Order: sequence, then structure tokens, then C-alpha cells
Amino acid sequence: GQQVMQIPQYQHVQEGEDFTTYCNSSTTLSNIQWYKQRPGGHPVFLIQLVKSGEVKKQKRLTFQFGEAKKNSSLHITATQTTDVGTYFCAGPWVSGAQKLVFGQGTRLTINP
Amino acid sequence: NAGVTQTPKFQVLKTGQSMTLQCAQDMNHEYMSWYRQDPGMGLRLIHYSVGAGITDQGEVPNGYNVSRSTTEDFPLRLLSAAPSQTSVYFCASSYSSGEQYFGPGTRLTVT
Repeated sequence: GQQVMQIPQYQHVQEGEDFTTYCNSSTTLSNIQWYKQRPGGHPVFLIQLVKSGEVKKQKRLTFQFGEAKKNSSLHITATQTTDVGTYFCAGPWVSGAQKLVFGQGTRLTINP
Repeated sequence: NAGVTQTPKFQVLKTGQSMTLQCAQDMNHEYMSWYRQDPGMGLRLIHYSVGAGITDQGEVPNGYNVSRSTTEDFPLRLLSAAPSQTSVYFCASSYSSGEQYFGPGTRLTVT
């Protein structure tokens, strides 16, 4: 079945360092979504990418969708302690469907 | 707006017991989903609904039932609880655009 793999599973950085998580799908995705989950909390939507090669920025966060629409990345510049949490990517089960398959997530911890 | 609400927040069941996890949303979203979250496995889709009266299975539907009689409510029923169903359960709702709004979750322990 369709799989969405995310690496790394864990990342520990010093505050101020950059952070990147990568998401790879076994199939072409019509879109990809990114979510953040704080410890003890629920996932919160960050962004959706739809176009091949799309790049979107939200302050210190940069999201990319690969040209083949099978991979994506989230890069955080100069991490802050508020960035702590688990970052998930998610893609539609089949093209256009609302059923999402989530990656395993990357858990980010930060040393202040 | 309350958004997506879930009850209870915590629940302990004995093996074989049944229970219903409640989920409600007040955003008039068509789509609602149930996920379970286990350590290291991300979120896995249990069941899904595209509107009142319509439900579909996700990745891990066995042992769970759902129904959608109204737009607002999407309860998840555990028929006969097993220790493998110990998990955190999240309900989510969305418009067709795909952005999902998650509830606060229910932490379930089956002993």
C-alpha cells in the first residue's frame, strides 16, 4: 500500500541551529500537508503544498514539494525553543481523496 | 466556536469491555476522521466519513465501528477492547481543501 516515510525520526539541536525533516512517498502525491504536534498536544496544520517544485515560507519555516511530487521537506532556520515538537507530513491516500496517510514524524528537541 | 471536541480525555478499560469515544465539530465540516497514534508510528487512519450517512475504512479499521448520523457527530465504538487498542485517539474534521482540524485526543488504556 501507499507509504509515506519521514526522516530522521529524532533530531536534537542547539538553539539557533537549523533543522530539516524529509518526507518521501512511494507514489506521486496530489498534495502534501505538514502538521506540528507539541508534546502532549494534538496535531496542528501548518501548510499544504500542491504544485510540483513549490516552495512556501512561513517566517523561519521553509516548505518544499519535489519536482516529481513524491518528496517534501521542512526546514527551520535558527531554531527556537518554541519549535519543539513532532513534525508530520501527510499525503492523500489516493489522488484527490481526503483520507490521509501520515509519515511517522520527526521529533525535534532543542537545547537552550 | 469550540472546534473539534472529544470525550472522554482519559479512559481505562478492561479487556473485552466496549465503549464509545465521542467526537463533535461545530464548523459544519463535511469530512471527519478517526486516527490512532502510537509511539514511533505516526497517525494511522481508522475510519473516515465524507458526510452524514457515509463512512469508509482506513488503514486499521478492525475492532472499531463508526456511524455518522449528523454532520456534527462522529462517534467511534470499540466493540471488545483489547490491549493492542491502547493508544491515543484523535478525531479530525475538514472541508474538501484537506486542512484537518484535530480534537484534543482521548488517551485509552486497555488492561
